Amino acid sequence: AQTVTQSQPEMSVQEAETVTLSCTYDTSESDYYLFWYKQPPSRQMILVIRQEAYKQQNATENRFSVNFQKAAKSFSLKISDSQLGDAAMYFCAYKGVRGGSEKLVFGKGTKLTVNP
Amino acid sequence: ETGVTQSPTHLIKTRGQQVTLRCSSQSGHNTVSWYQQALGQGPQFIFQYYREEENGRGNFPPRFSGLQFPNYSSELNVNALELDDSALYLCASSPRAGAYQETQYFGPGTRLLVL
Repeated sequence: AQTVTQSQPEMSVQEAETVTLSCTYDTSESDYYLFWYKQPPSRQMILVIRQEAYKQQNATENRFSVNFQKAAKSFSLKISDSQLGDAAMYFCAYKGVRGGSEKLVFGKGTKLTVNP
Repeated sequence: ETGVTQSPTHLIKTRGQQVTLRCSSQSGHNTVSWYQQALGQGPQFIFQYYREEENGRGNFPPRFSGLQFPNYSSELNVNALELDDSALYLCASSPRAGAYQETQYFGPGTRLLVL
């Protein structure tokens, strides 16, 4: 079974600085997707960024970028120019492509605090 | 474009009761997945529905059941509620074309408290 590990329960960053959140995963599949979701106190899970495993190029969405290391099964999220609104729980998630159900497997999350 | 909606937002039940949670998928999305998120944890997959059929199930007992309707909205039913069922229940919808399922988009969740 696939597993996702987020080793940093909490992280903090100063406003306008850069922070990197770590994620590792375990799978025997060669094709899959990886996601970072953000969950603010309002509870709604919001998609931050997505990476297809077959793509070597790291995904980027504005201030958010990933470092995808397929061989190391590592998928870190870098937030540049951190803003107060970035404060939230961040979840790393894996989704396979085999079979009839492509469920998301989540890590336990990293709580990000942004200090003014 | 309307996003994923869920109702109710909060619910309080007592042990042994039954509960029904509802989810309306985002326009154009034909697949609905349900997740349980206990306090301080990541979401856990309950099951998924595609074209009104269950399309995969996580490690949850049969007292967790669901439905999907022709308009792709969905219900999650939990019978014989236990204290450990207290959690945030998240619904996610996604478009699916053939064997390929796209990214899942989440609703705001229903907070269930079992006393």
